[in-house]
Amino acid sequence: QVQLVQSGAEVKKPGASVKVSCKASGYTFTSNYMHWVRQAPGQGLEWMGVINPSGGSTSYAQKFQGRVTMTRDTSTSTVYMELSSLRSEDTAVYYCAKGYCSGGYCYPFDYWGQGTLVTVSS
Amino acid sequence: EIVMTQSPATLSVSPGERATLSCRASQSVSSNLAWYQQKPGQAPRLLIYGASTRATGIPARFSGSGSGTEFTLTISSLQSEDFAVYYCQQYNNWPPQLTFGGGTKVEIK
Repeated sequence: QVQLVQSGAEVKKPGASVKVSCKASGYTFTSNYMHWVRQAPGQGLEWMGVINPSGGSTSYAQKFQGRVTMTRDTSTSTVYMELSSLRSEDTAVYYCAKGYCSGGYCYPFDYWGQGTLVTVSS
Repeated sequence: EIVMTQSPATLSVSPGERATLSCRASQSVSSNLAWYQQKPGQAPRLLIYGASTRATGIPARFSGSGSGTEFTLTISSLQSEDFAVYYCQQYNNWPPQLTFGGGTKVEIK
């Protein structure tokens, strides 16, 4: 069965960086794209970007350009999301989510990770 | 950026009644619109894609309609497990710049 298992909760100081991992299993890792979505406490969902595990190409939301980096390790079927220059507003649960992209579209997400809480506090 | 606007923010409905949720896009997204359900402490779950196609395992009481800029999610007869927050999402652009609506909370009246 498909599983996306994320790394554990993090506490960071303002200005620091955080790197969250998402290990995939139960499907062919390179055949689906992986998205990152975050949710601040009590707020809605915010799409951050997507990585193609096959070639490593990425597309980031304009809001996060220059601050987010998504990478992958095909040997361990793991994708990573690193967010730098953290501020208090980045406190949120970060989710990875699997989706299929083809023919000029990235289709909705059929599986999600369990979420990783990142807390930014001095 | 395509802005997705959901209304109402909160919908109070009695069990067994019908719920109608709206989602509007700032520009046409064709039928590239999905709906998700999220319960407290859980990741979202895909309900509808292509504006009107139910995802695997989703009950028939959930239906989606619309195209272009106006979309609707209808829950025909609310069950206790349907009280949750619902989000719409557009996926109409490439390179992908996906966006979600702000959500509609369906609560027990």
